[in-house]
Amino acid sequence: AQKITQTQPGMFVQEKEAVTLDCTYDTSDPSYGLFWYKQPSSGEMIFLIYQGSYDQQNATEGRYSLNFQKARKSANLVISASQLGDSAMYFCAMGGGYQKVTFGIGTKLQVIP
Amino acid sequence: GAVVSQHPSWVICKSGTSVKIECRSLDFQATTMFWYRQFPKQSLMLMATSNEGSKATYEQGVEKDKFLINHASLTLSTLTVTSAHPEDSSFYICSASGSGGVRETQYFGPGTRLLVL
Repeated sequence: AQKITQTQPGMFVQEKEAVTLDCTYDTSDPSYGLFWYKQPSSGEMIFLIYQGSYDQQNATEGRYSLNFQKARKSANLVISASQLGDSAMYFCAMGGGYQKVTFGIGTKLQVIP
Repeated sequence: GAVVSQHPSWVICKSGTSVKIECRSLDFQATTMFWYRQFPKQSLMLMATSNEGSKATYEQGVEKDKFLINHASLTLSTLTVTSAHPEDSSFYICSASGSGGVRETQYFGPGTRLLVL
C-alpha cells in the first residue's frame, strides 16, 4: 500500500519569498512516481511537477522544484518567488500512468502581499 | 499538456434523481480513467478505476450499483450517480492518462460539483 503524509495543514509566505511544502511517502514498490498538484478555490487539479524514483536529479519546473530525498522518503515542493496567485491547496501524490494516484491531505498555502 | 474536460461543471438535483457526469480526454486516448470524490476541506478519494471496454474496478466501500461507470470509448468515461441523496453531494473529479508508464502524469478534469437537495 502507498501512503502520502503532509504534516502542514496551512502555510503562510510573504510575496516574493520562497516556501517549502513538506511531503513524505511510504511504498514497497521499487519504481514509483511522485507528483505535486495545485488546487485553487475553483477546484481543478493543476499538475505542477513530477519526480521519478530513479531520476538522478531533482525535478524543476519554472519556479517549482522538488527536493527529493529517497533515503528519507521525502519529496518536498519548493516554490520560489511566491506570487499572490500561488495561494491554493497543494497536494502531494504518488502513482501515475495506469496506477491509481494516492493523495496526501493537502497543505493550504496563503501568500501575503 | 493533455486536456481533460468534464460536463456538467455544476449540478443541482432533487433527492432520488440520477445524475450523469461525463469525462472526456480531448487530445489523447485514455485507456484508463479514474473517478475521485472530494468532500469539503478533504483530499481526493479514489472511487473507481475505469478501463475502456471492461467493467470498472471499485474501491472498497464504494457502491458499484449506486455509482455506475461506463467507459465506452478511449476518450469518454461516464459516472452516473443513481438515486442521488444529500449525502452524495460532493465534488467529483476524473483523471486520465495517455499511457501506462509510471512516469506518465495523470491529467485531471475541472471537476463537477453535485448538490443534492
